[in-house]
Amino acid sequence: GNSVTQMEGPVTLSEEAFLTINCTYTATGYPSLFWYVQYPGEGLQLLLKATKADDKGSNKGFEATYRKETTSFHLEKGSVQVSDSAVYFCAIGTASKLTFGTGTRLQVTL
Amino acid sequence: DVKVTQSSRYLVKRTGEKVFLECVQDMDHENMFWYRQDPGLGLRLIYFSYDVKMKEKGDIPEGYSVSREKKERFSLILESASTNQTSMYLCASSLRKTGGTEAFFGQGTRLTVV
Repeated sequence: GNSVTQMEGPVTLSEEAFLTINCTYTATGYPSLFWYVQYPGEGLQLLLKATKADDKGSNKGFEATYRKETTSFHLEKGSVQVSDSAVYFCAIGTASKLTFGTGTRLQVTL
Repeated sequence: DVKVTQSSRYLVKRTGEKVFLECVQDMDHENMFWYRQDPGLGLRLIYFSYDVKMKEKGDIPEGYSVSREKKERFSLILESASTNQTSMYLCASSLRKTGGTEAFFGQGTRLTVV
């Protein structure tokens, strides 16, 4: 079956630091890849996505590239802000199913 | 604005009660999902449905059932609530497309079983 492994948190960074959250997956077929974000007290919302190899998804300064050869989709941001504090979930999707990683909590301090 | 609406944000139920969690989406999506979210375990799929009256077990279906009588509505049923079902429950929907599409989530229902 499909599975997603992402780095455990919490990740604590100072404002303006560089962020990387690693994500690798195993899947049958050719899935789409997603990063979701969950702010405190809210549901999940899509942050970015990529649907084929070498695609780069980007949004709000976050980026991730679909690496088929390494089955990875690492999330990066060049300069984090306090408002980026949240839980980030990597996910893979097929026609009928989404599989999530366990989530990585990011805490950004001043 | 696309919307997935869960009937309650917070719910407290007694052990042994039958509990219904309702979810409605207004995007004409084929797929609907129920997840539970627990600290350290992430999101785990309970059941999903890719069409009206169709359902598939997810990773942790024990103690739960679902109903999808209309395309827009997907209900999660706890037949006899137990304290280990205290959790955050998230409903989501998505289009059914080869390669997958993003899911849209409701705000979640925090269920406490006492």
